[in-house]
Amino acid sequence: EAEVAQSPRYKITEKSQAVAFWCDPISGHATLYWYRQILGQGPELLVQFQDESVVDDSQLPKDRFSAERLKGVDSTLKIQPAELGDSAMYLCASSPKFLGSYEQYFGPGTRLTVT
Amino acid sequence: GESVGLHLPTLSVQEGDNSIINCAYSNSASDYFIWYKQESGKGPQFIIDIRSNMDKRQGQRVTVLLNKTVKHLSLQIAATQPGDSAVYFCAEGSRGSYIPTFGRGTSLIVHP
Repeated sequence: EAEVAQSPRYKITEKSQAVAFWCDPISGHATLYWYRQILGQGPELLVQFQDESVVDDSQLPKDRFSAERLKGVDSTLKIQPAELGDSAMYLCASSPKFLGSYEQYFGPGTRLTVT
Repeated sequence: GESVGLHLPTLSVQEGDNSIINCAYSNSASDYFIWYKQESGKGPQFIIDIRSNMDKRQGQRVTVLLNKTVKHLSLQIAATQPGDSAVYFCAEGSRGSYIPTFGRGTSLIVHP
C-alpha cells in the first residue's frame, strides 16, 4: 500500500539553528499539505500545494518558515532560525484531489525538539 | 472564535465493550465532519465522515451521529478492540474549503 514518506522521523536542534524536513507524497497525488501538530492537539495547516504552486500559506510564519515543491512531487519545509516554540510534530499529507474531498493521507511525521 | 472541541480527553474501556467518543462544534456553517484516528508515532488516519444533511452514517464497526440542534457529533465504535487504542480527533469543514479544522483529541484506551 502506497504511503506518504517523511524524513527525518526525529530531529533535535538548538534554537537559532536551521532545520529542514522532507516529504514524498503518494505517487500521483497532486495536492500536498504541511501541518504542525502540538502534543494533544489536532494538526493545523501550514501550507498547501497544488502541483508546484502554493494554494494557501496564510498560516505559515513566513519570517522563519519556507516551503517548496519545485517539481510538483516531493516537498521541503524549512525553519530558520528555529525557536523553542517550534517544537512540535510536523506532518505531511497528500491528496489525489484538489477540491471536493477531504481525502488526505498523512505521513508518520517529523518530531522536532528545539533546545 | 468558532471551534471544534471534545468533551473527554481520555476514555478507558474494556475489550468488547462499545465506545462512544463525543465532540462539540460551534461553527453552524460547517457542513462536513470527519473523524480521524491517530496511533502513537503515526499521522492521523481517516475513519469516517458525515455531511450536515445527514444525522447518521455507518461504517465497519463505527457509526457517526450528528445532532445539528445541539451541535454535537459522536463516534461509536462497536466491540472495541485493543487495536482501537489511539487518539481520536473530530474535524469540521465548510463547503469551498477542504482543509479540516481539527478539535482536541480524545485518547481511547482499550483494556484487554
